[in-house]
Amino acid sequence: DIQMTQSPSSLSTSVGDRVTITCRASQRISSYLNWYQQKPGKAPNLLIVAASTLQSGVPSRFSGSGSGTDFTLTISSLQPEDFATYYCQQSYSTPYTFGQGTKLEIK
Amino acid sequence: EVQLVESGGGLVKPGGSLRLSCAASGFTFSSYTMNWVRQAPGKGLEWVSSITGSSDHIYDADSVKGRFTISRDNAKNSLYLQMNSLRAEDTAVYYCTRIAIFGVVRGMDVWGQGTTVTVSS
Repeated sequence: DIQMTQSPSSLSTSVGDRVTITCRASQRISSYLNWYQQKPGKAPNLLIVAASTLQSGVPSRFSGSGSGTDFTLTISSLQPEDFATYYCQQSYSTPYTFGQGTKLEIK
Repeated sequence: EVQLVESGGGLVKPGGSLRLSCAASGFTFSSYTMNWVRQAPGKGLEWVSSITGSSDHIYDADSVKGRFTISRDNAKNSLYLQMNSLRAEDTAVYYCTRIAIFGVVRGMDVWGQGTTVTVSS
């Protein structure tokens, strides 16, 4: 199975900050990497597919990059509605594994 | 509107069974691979099982293999998860998700609201 490791697990941040979350795969997965946002009590929402393609309706302050084993999700200027938990997920092969999540908290 | 609505969750004793359902609307259900994903209380996301549009390919996580069975009825636009031999560690919110293809990459682009399964004596 492909293991996905995110860092950090949590981050205390402020509105307006630039935030970067990293995700590392245990083997090369090309660009088969997706990012999801989950708010408390809600289902996850697909933000970015194929490492860098924003889903329709996702604000341009979100961006993704990477290929192979190392990936990043960047939020250029954090907004109040962005405080949530973010998960990476590989779709290279089953089992479709997720990272453990990164929780963004208000400083 | 594209929508997935899960049902069938509840409280069940260890060793018991439960059948989850997911009603799909707003899209051509038979054209999509569908998934179940779960989330234990306070924990992360875990993919459980996938089934292709024509049910010709099924994939299961090792943690549920031999105990859970995914199925679908395209005539009823419905996805199912039959869960047998339930364990305490199966306690979770279970989400029904749609897989869309973006170029060659699969992503779970539609999620239901989730249904809660609690396994406890």
